[in-house]
Amino acid sequence: DAGVIQSPRHEVTEMGQEVTLRCKPISGHNSLFWYRQTMMRGLELLIYFNNNVPIDDSGMPEDRFSAKMPNASFSTLKIQPSEPRDSAVYFCASSHGLLGTGELFFGEGSRLTVL
Amino acid sequence: AQTVTQSQPEMSVQEAETVTLSCTYDTSESDYYLFWYKQPPSRQMILVIRQEAYKQQNATENRFSVNFQKAAKSFSLKISDSQLGDAAMYFCAYRANTNAGKSTFGDGTTLTVKP
Repeated sequence: DAGVIQSPRHEVTEMGQEVTLRCKPISGHNSLFWYRQTMMRGLELLIYFNNNVPIDDSGMPEDRFSAKMPNASFSTLKIQPSEPRDSAVYFCASSHGLLGTGELFFGEGSRLTVL
Repeated sequence: AQTVTQSQPEMSVQEAETVTLSCTYDTSESDYYLFWYKQPPSRQMILVIRQEAYKQQNATENRFSVNFQKAAKSFSLKISDSQLGDAAMYFCAYRANTNAGKSTFGDGTTLTVKP
């Protein structure tokens, strides 16, 4: 299996620009998670989906952040407009549904730098 | 709300020796899962070991084992015969079965392995 695939691996942008991060979960997994990792705040859950439906978006920091999952094989996390404090590594993870052990399979992350 | 606490920001161990990483958690649930994840410098997080709360027997995976104390809400990870490749950040995580899919992570412990 190919694993969770994220793109881009690295993104450098200027404040005010729109940023779109992409994720392809493992085939057959129906839960998808977006996490943000920083030195200051550690690993934070931003939002998660089950069967393409957002279940909990309470971790989304503000209206500048939005996430979509139009189908079972693709999700995006968008930041518009971006700010320097959004600089972080963003991880996508998937798991096999709401039943079972809920082990998370992570992608390699997207490192975002906002200047 | 569930919380996971890792009280050791950094640990070090000599190659071939044994090290124990600590984790405590707080929950009112009785049915849940606990995990240890490893994040090497390459960033991708992978599962090390998993424990079901209803199981009394401690989980083991080769050189990795846990000491699960349910009453004390403690879940430590023991790494035996430490290898250079074990150097990484280790995260303890909790997931309640009633809120399946939403894992809560500790702040992580950075493990250094000295040759």
